[in-house]
Amino acid sequence: DVKVTQSSRYLVKRTGEKVFLECVQDMDHENMFWYRQDPGLGLRLIYFSYDVKMKEKGDIPEGYSVSREKKERFSLILESASTNQTSMYLCASVAPGEGLAGSWYFGPGTRLTVT
Amino acid sequence: DQQVKQNSPSLSVQEGRISILNCDYTNSMFDYFLWYKKYPAEGPTFLISISSIKDKNEDGRFTVFLNKSAKHLSLHIVPSQPGDSAVYFCAACKTSYDKVIFGPGTSLSVIP
Repeated sequence: DVKVTQSSRYLVKRTGEKVFLECVQDMDHENMFWYRQDPGLGLRLIYFSYDVKMKEKGDIPEGYSVSREKKERFSLILESASTNQTSMYLCASVAPGEGLAGSWYFGPGTRLTVT
Repeated sequence: DQQVKQNSPSLSVQEGRISILNCDYTNSMFDYFLWYKKYPAEGPTFLISISSIKDKNEDGRFTVFLNKSAKHLSLHIVPSQPGDSAVYFCAACKTSYDKVIFGPGTSLSVIP
């Protein structure tokens, strides 16, 4: 059973702090994604990675960076947190070779509040 | 510019009745369409999908219909149950490996 875990369920940070959100999957998936979910906007893609050391910008990468040093771990970094980054952050992992996009697995999410 | 639209932010349905959730898309290159269900404080879970070569896919109480010419799909839940109360996201992608584009979601409440 695929498991995608995120380091924290709830985080409260101050404006200007550097924030690390960690995502770990245990099924050797190559493709991993970071989304944020906001009311009325759905899930918007921030960054994604197709392999170790590889990363690509999604639709809203500004103010974020990512790190993929190991296959199982994909980290999202808020360089200097701002209040408009208060959101629910969701990590996803995709099984290779399974065809349909239904083989995506999401973590439980991290609710980040920036004050 | 939203490529995947869900124009109803919320929907209330009586238990036992049919729930119909609608979704429209603008990009004719999309080949796969998916529905995800999300409970509060949990990540989305995959519900059902359909590829562009089909116009209908069923899985138990859930049926997805695709109208390619209208760029419209809908999710039917019959019969609706209180446990179906959740936010439903419509999503689309061009290939099975491509990034998935999500709609804004529709919050379904099934009233006992």
